[in-house]
Amino acid sequence: GENVEQHPSTLSVQEGDSAVIKCTYSDSASNYFPWYKQELGKRPQLIIDIRSNVGEKKDQRIAVTLNKTAKHFSLHITETQPEDSAVYFCAASRGAAGNKLTFGGGTRVLVKP
Amino acid sequence: SAVISQKPSRDICQRGTSLTIQCQVDSQVTMMFWYRQQPGQSLTLIATANQGSEATYESGFVIDKFPISRPNLTFSTLTVSNMSPEDSSIYLCSASWSSGNTIYFGEGSWLTVV
Repeated sequence: GENVEQHPSTLSVQEGDSAVIKCTYSDSASNYFPWYKQELGKRPQLIIDIRSNVGEKKDQRIAVTLNKTAKHFSLHITETQPEDSAVYFCAASRGAAGNKLTFGGGTRVLVKP
Repeated sequence: SAVISQKPSRDICQRGTSLTIQCQVDSQVTMMFWYRQQPGQSLTLIATANQGSEATYESGFVIDKFPISRPNLTFSTLTVSNMSPEDSSIYLCSASWSSGNTIYFGEGSWLTVV
């Protein structure tokens, strides 16, 4: 089955700096890669996703890049703000083959004011 | 995004008892899933809840321990049976509206087994 690895497990950045989280996956048939943000005590919230026919996607301060050949994808947060502090999870799925998401281990991001 | 409601939101349970968690979605969905998130950990898929038939369980999860029902396209239940402290987790219901599309999560049910 799919295996998703996520790095780093913790990330501390100064407010205004950029944060980058990287994930690798094992199943070459995976074609859907969402990112979720989970604040303390809250549910995971989708913040951005990318499909395998796209190499990059951007939404304001957040961007995701995908390298299908190397089987890795990354989340980029620019101009970080204290409210970006949370745990971020990457995930992968085969999409049409049942939507089952396999999650990475998570990255705890702390933005220091 | 859709509204996915779970009940209970939080409970403290006695060892050896069972608890059923309900998940209600505000519109018909194609797929419903149950995930477990142990304290400080990532999310692990327990099973896919299939409408009108037995759930599809992931490796390491069995029907006797986690019976699941899905009688229609908007509702599912997960029962955690014969609980032990190791079952203390957040249990998350999730849903998507067609294969390949976004998966949304309910608020979670926080279970503590004592």
